Amino acid sequence: KNEVEQSPQNLTAQEGEFITINCSYSVGISALHWLQQHPGGGIVSLFMLSSGKKKHGRLIATINIQEKHSSLHITASHPRDSAVYICAASGSARQLTFGSGTQLTVLP
Amino acid sequence: NAGVTQTPKFQVLKTGQSMTLQCAQDMNHNSMYWYRQDPGMGLRLIYYSASEGTTDKGEVPNGYNVSRLNKREFSLRLESAAPSQTSVYFCASSLSGTENYEQYFGPGTRLTVT
Repeated sequence: KNEVEQSPQNLTAQEGEFITINCSYSVGISALHWLQQHPGGGIVSLFMLSSGKKKHGRLIATINIQEKHSSLHITASHPRDSAVYICAASGSARQLTFGSGTQLTVLP
Repeated sequence: NAGVTQTPKFQVLKTGQSMTLQCAQDMNHNSMYWYRQDPGMGLRLIYYSASEGTTDKGEVPNGYNVSRLNKREFSLRLESAAPSQTSVYFCASSLSGTENYEQYFGPGTRLTVT
């Protein structure tokens, strides 16, 4: 079974700071997903990647397959970025195994 | 497009009662999923349906049954609710497998079993 670990569990930042959330997984995967869960509970997909780097606005996701590690970066953070960020690994069973999430709070 | 819809949004059950959570998607997706989310734990897969007419157990299927009624709808049934099933339930869909396609989530159902 693939274990997915995220760090940190909680992160507080000042508006404008550069933020990094890390995700490690234990076995080979076919894709890594990053999700955002809003304070109201809704979940949206941010990225799905199997190699390299993807960028969308102020969000950047990277993955290192050899090191079994992915990072989510937020540049010029804003209070509206406050949410829970979840990584999830897609393995051989074509299902997602989820990390427990990182609670991000960005203060104005 | 409504995306993925779930009903009800909230439900309180007494131990032993039964209920069905409904999920529908209008994106012509083949794969649909039911997850539960508990405090301090990641989302966990209950059941999934890779395509119309098929269903498979996930990580935590005990106490649940599912029906893939057609391509659009995937329901989750609790036959005899237990307090351990108090959770937030999310339905999700994707065009196909998670190795190639992102998932779209419904708004969730908050279930309390007393």
